[in-house]
Amino acid sequence: DAGVIQSPRHEVTEMGQEVTLRCKPISGHDYLFWYRQTMMRGLELLIYFNNNVPIDDSGMPEDRFSAKMPNASFSTLKIQPSEPRDSAVYFCASSWLGQPNTEAFFGQGTRLTVV
Amino acid sequence: AQKVTQAQTEISVVEKEDVTLDCVYETRDTTYYLFWYKQPPSGELVFLIRRNSFDEQNEISGRYSWNFQKSTSSFNFTITASQVVDSAVYFCALSHFVSNFGNEKLTFGTGTRLTIIP
Repeated sequence: DAGVIQSPRHEVTEMGQEVTLRCKPISGHDYLFWYRQTMMRGLELLIYFNNNVPIDDSGMPEDRFSAKMPNASFSTLKIQPSEPRDSAVYFCASSWLGQPNTEAFFGQGTRLTVV
Repeated sequence: AQKVTQAQTEISVVEKEDVTLDCVYETRDTTYYLFWYKQPPSGELVFLIRRNSFDEQNEISGRYSWNFQKSTSSFNFTITASQVVDSAVYFCALSHFVSNFGNEKLTFGTGTRLTIIP
């Protein structure tokens, strides 16, 4: 398996533009997580899905952020409009409820820079 | 509320030395899991270990070992005979046990940047 695949790896955009980050989880995994990593706040969980359904979005910073999972093999995290403070590395992770709390496998992240 | 504290921001050791990374956690859950992840310079997060709250046995995997002490809420990580390839940021994490879903909703520490000097 290729692991969790995120695209793009790097994104530079201007303030006010819409940004869409993409994630393909590991096949067969039924959980998908979006995390954000910044120097100031470290790694934070934004939202997670189970069987394509959003379960907890309490970590989503504000209404400018939205996430969807239209099917088991694809998820998006959208920021509209983007702001410089959204600059961070965004990680997608997936896992499988084979037993409780199995480990999450992370993608390589998308480094977002908003100028 | 859950919290993970990695008090050591940066550590540098000379190659072949042993090094211990500290992790202290806070949780009100009686059932929880602890994790260590490695983030090498390439940026991805690599899973190293998961330990559940009922298993306090120490674990060894090659040059890596973990010491889980529930009495002190600590889950420390030791690298024996360190190598340059061990240079990375290491994160300790705690999973919030969510009933019915039970999967990791990870709370991460701030990480320890480990540099191994050749």
